[in-house]
Amino acid sequence: EIVLTQSPGTLSLSPGERATLSCRASQGVSSNYLAWYQQKPGQAPRLLIYGASSRATGIPDRFSGSGSGTDFTLTISRLEPEDFAVYYCQQYGGSPITFGQGTRLEIK
Amino acid sequence: EVQLVESGGGVVRPGGSLRLSCATSGFTFDDYGMNWVRQTPGKGLEWVSGINWNGGSTGYADSVKGRFTISRDNAKNSLFLQMNSLRVEDAALYHCARVVGLDYYYYYVDVWGKGTTVTVSS
Repeated sequence: EIVLTQSPGTLSLSPGERATLSCRASQGVSSNYLAWYQQKPGQAPRLLIYGASSRATGIPDRFSGSGSGTDFTLTISRLEPEDFAVYYCQQYGGSPITFGQGTRLEIK
Repeated sequence: EVQLVESGGGVVRPGGSLRLSCATSGFTFDDYGMNWVRQTPGKGLEWVSGINWNGGSTGYADSVKGRFTISRDNAKNSLFLQMNSLRVEDAALYHCARVVGLDYYYYYVDVWGKGTTVTVSS
């Protein structure tokens, strides 16, 4: 099973700042099959990025994904008030699919 | 609009059973594999089970293998999870999740339901 470790656990930033979230895998993720999700309280997770760097439909271009192998990054270029939420990475290149423990992005 | 709406959660004693349902709409159900993913404050998101487009292939997390059974009814656009021999550690918010492909694995989840809560307590 591939273990995903996200860092930091909590990130405190202000609107307008740049956010960089990390996801590290315990072994290489096949075909860079890595996705990122955003979840707000009381809501279902929302797909942001798939294939490590492809934005899902309707996702603003301030969200970008990068990385390969075992190290992946989600970057939010300029934080908007609605971006403060919990972010999860997920790998789907190996069975079972696994998730990171999440990074909470909070307003400073 | 694509919608996944879970139901069937509740409070059950250890050793008991529950059957979760996921009613879907807004898409051609049998064009997609489906999964159940559970969520707890302590363990976060955990894949539970998956099923391919026609029900011919299924998979389970080791933690639920032999106790849970996933199924689908393509005529009714619905997904199910039969949960038997429930344990305290099975308590969670259970999400129904659509994957972008006919199989349940090697594809990402593109749509999630809000979930139904399962509480296991004596």
